[in-house]
Amino acid sequence: GAVVSQHPSRVICKSGTSVKIECRSLDFQATTMFWYRQFPKQSLMLMATSNEGSKATYEQGVEKDKFLINHASLTLSTLTVTSAHPEDSSFYICSARTPGQGNNQPQHFGDGTRLSIL
Amino acid sequence: GNSVTQMEGPVTLSEEAFLTINCTYTATGYPSLFWYVQYPGEGLQLLLKATKADDKGSNKGFEATYRKETTSFHLEKGSVQVSDSAVYFCALKGSARQLTFGSGTQLTVLP
Repeated sequence: GAVVSQHPSRVICKSGTSVKIECRSLDFQATTMFWYRQFPKQSLMLMATSNEGSKATYEQGVEKDKFLINHASLTLSTLTVTSAHPEDSSFYICSARTPGQGNNQPQHFGDGTRLSIL
Repeated sequence: GNSVTQMEGPVTLSEEAFLTINCTYTATGYPSLFWYVQYPGEGLQLLLKATKADDKGSNKGFEATYRKETTSFHLEKGSVQVSDSAVYFCALKGSARQLTFGSGTQLTVLP
């Protein structure tokens, strides 16, 4: 149980293109999802926390107009990288928190999306 | 703020060797501590966790003990296998209930 599907797994596109990445919880409802970015040989950095039905909470230094997050249902959150540039090339990973009391439920991670901007 | 410092890689071992990956943390209060593993081409998976001091998390032959006095959560395995080759991340979850990750340690096990 607790499977998170992330799509696409890899995207290669031209500079200036907007790219949408989907994160789905397949067998549970996730009121909270997280988006991370991983630079080569570096750690995962939390970009934003996505709450169903409300605006995402962005971490300091993350441009909300650049990285649009929509959590329109209890099983789907999307991250759109708008007008992507080569410096946006990275590995993006989502996670979904299983439902339960409080905020200490485990997170389950998607397989990630490798974004390459030419 | 919270931070996690883990042993820099890459680490290369022969099969059946003993593994230690060091992890230390800085946090206020009493965080929960985690080790995640990322196999090639896959997402993160929770490997083990410990939620309070002196707890030992274990899974798949890996162990880590929550040491509050040394603020450490070192990952160990007595005999590694080729299939253990992956990137290992130490992480903590503090009072804000958000995960803070270390930089990851690449492990390669040679046959």
